[in-house]
Amino acid sequence: KAGVTQTPRYLIKTRGQQVTLSCSPISGHRSVSWYQQTPGQGLQFLFEYFSETQRNKGNFPGRFSGRQFSNSRSEMNVSTLELGDSALYLCASSLNLGGAFFGQGTRLTVV
Amino acid sequence: AQSVAQPEDQVNVAEGNPLTVKCTYSVSGNPYLFWYVQYPNRGLQFLLKYITGDNLVKGSYGFEAEFNKSQTSFHLKKPSALVSDSALYFCAVRDINDMRFGAGTRLTVKP
Repeated sequence: KAGVTQTPRYLIKTRGQQVTLSCSPISGHRSVSWYQQTPGQGLQFLFEYFSETQRNKGNFPGRFSGRQFSNSRSEMNVSTLELGDSALYLCASSLNLGGAFFGQGTRLTVV
Repeated sequence: AQSVAQPEDQVNVAEGNPLTVKCTYSVSGNPYLFWYVQYPNRGLQFLLKYITGDNLVKGSYGFEAEFNKSQTSFHLKKPSALVSDSALYFCAVRDINDMRFGAGTRLTVKP
């Protein structure tokens, strides 16, 4: 069974730009969560989608948004990028309350 | 809201010695507890979980964790550490809303 796939693996953007990250969950998993990981703040929950609906949202500004498609693939968008948005963005898929399986992450660098 | 704490930023052990990485949690209701490991520039890898049942949970790579309800702890253990176990370890707690992670503990196993 293929794991969670995140694309791209690395991104460099300039301040003010926007970015879209993609996540393909494990086949059959309908829950997709997104996390931001930085050295200073650790792992922070962004949002979770289940069956195309945002089920939960963390404490991030509205510049961070996401969506989930009917095939459970999910995208995360960050608009008006700031230097502080530089981080490893991790996607995880799960079968509802089971353990989450993570992708390799997308390393975003904002310059 | 649930939370999880990892009181040690860093744990150092000698190869062949037992290791313990500590985790305490706070949750209303029954806890769903998880341990993950992260190697450099990689996503998180699932190690083990506690949902219900035996307090001693066995997971991947020889790791196990002991659920202690009275002490609200879920410490990760391994009888004999390997140098290859050196990595960043995260404890997590999940409820119906989201999954919260501890700040992480960096384990270093010295030859």
